[in-house]
Amino acid sequence: EVQLVQSGGGLVQPGGSLRLSCAASGFVFSDYWMHWVRQAPGKGLVWVSRINSDGSGTIYADSVKGRFTISRDNAKNTLYLQMNSLRAEDTAVYYCARVITTAGGLGYWGQGALVTVSS
Amino acid sequence: SNELTQPPSVSVSPGQTASITCSGDKLGDRNACWYQQKPGQSPVLVIYQDSKRPSGIPERFSGSNSGSTATLTISGTQAMDEADYYCQAWDSSTGIFGGGTKLTVL
Repeated sequence: EVQLVQSGGGLVQPGGSLRLSCAASGFVFSDYWMHWVRQAPGKGLVWVSRINSDGSGTIYADSVKGRFTISRDNAKNTLYLQMNSLRAEDTAVYYCARVITTAGGLGYWGQGALVTVSS
Repeated sequence: SNELTQPPSVSVSPGQTASITCSGDKLGDRNACWYQQKPGQSPVLVIYQDSKRPSGIPERFSGSNSGSTATLTISGTQAMDEADYYCQAWDSSTGIFGGGTKLTVL
């Protein structure tokens, strides 16, 4: 069974940093591209970032480019999102997700981690 | 433009057919996906690659995509289908989500 278990959310002050983790199991982690998606309270889904299977290729939404870094440790089957220079508008539930198949949709999601940016 | 536009809300009576549209520039040239999200839960993929259903998704969910519009159709809608639905497509490896449609089963 594919499982994505997230950790690392919490309350952080504006300008601060936080790292989210997503531990994967039930599949060969190193075979799949992984994504982060966020959802502000009461709002819709917004794609944040993607990393390819060996970690050599990453891409970001304009809203987080230069502040967030996606990475992975295939030996530990874990995906990360390092978030720096956090702003109030980054407050959201952050989800990690895996595609169901190449060029497919996001078929597997973590449980979500709430990040609150507030003083 | 790489935006995807959905109606904010759709209402349907139990047992009837619900259709939710998603419009975007040349969307028919891209693979469209649909997600169902219930309050407090993670999204669930219900349609991918325009019309494919993941394992475990009921047959009453179907999808189509042509021109600039993708459509999610729920036949014989049940009360349990009441949720928010989001379309999504890939644009040069970046993900684009529609704004979401709240489906109400009256």
